[in-house]
Amino acid sequence: EPEVTQTPSHQVTQMGQEVILRCVPISNHLYFYWYRQILGQKVEFLVSFYNNEISEKSEIFDDQFSVERPDGSNFTLKIRSTKLEDSAMYFCASRRTGAGDTQYFGPGTRLTVL
Amino acid sequence: AQSVTQLGSHVSVSEGALVLLRCNYSSSVPPYLFWYVQYPNQGLQLLLKYTTGATLVKGINGFEAEFKKSETSFHLTKPSAHMSDAAEYFCAVSYNTNAGKSTFGDGTTLTVKP
Repeated sequence: EPEVTQTPSHQVTQMGQEVILRCVPISNHLYFYWYRQILGQKVEFLVSFYNNEISEKSEIFDDQFSVERPDGSNFTLKIRSTKLEDSAMYFCASRRTGAGDTQYFGPGTRLTVL
Repeated sequence: AQSVTQLGSHVSVSEGALVLLRCNYSSSVPPYLFWYVQYPNQGLQLLLKYTTGATLVKGINGFEAEFKKSETSFHLTKPSAHMSDAAEYFCAVSYNTNAGKSTFGDGTTLTVKP
C-alpha cells in the first residue's frame, strides 16, 4: 500500500538555525498538508497546499515558515530561524481529492531545537 | 470556526469491557468526521471516517462510530477492549472548504487494565 514518507525521522538543531523537513506524499495525491504536535498536546494544522500554492495557513505558520514542492514528488517545510518552541513532531499528510477523502499521514519528523 | 471536543482526556477500562470515547463537534455545515489512533512515538493511523451515507461506520480493529447530527456527536466504541488498544485517540473534523484541512480534538488516552 502506498504511504507518505518523511525524512529525517529526528532532527536536532540549534536555535536560530534553518531546518528543512522533507516529505514524499503519495504519488497521485493532489492536496498536501503539514501539521505539528508539541509533546503531549494535540495535532495542530499548519498549512495546506494545492495546485502549487498555499490554500490555507494557520496563525502558527508565520513568516519563519515556508513550504515548497520543488519537483513532482517532494513537499518540504522550511523553518528559517528555529525557536525553542518549534520543538515538536511535524507530520506531513496528503490526500487524493477533497475534504471527505482519507488523509494519509507520514510517520513524522521529531524536531528538537536546543 | 470549526472545533472538536473530546470529553475525557483519560479513559481507563478493563480488558474485555466496552470502550466509549466521546467526540462532539461544532459546525453549521455538514462535517466529515474521522477517528485516528496514535501509539507512542508513532504517526497517526486512521481508524474510521464518516463522510456521507450510513451513520454507523465500522473501522479497523473492531472499532465503530455513529454520527448523530442532532447531538453533533461522533463517539467511538468497541464492544470488548484489548490490551493492544491502549493508545491515544484523536477525533478530527474537516469540511468541504479550504482544501479540507483537519481540525483535531485534544485527544483521549485509553488505558486498558488486565
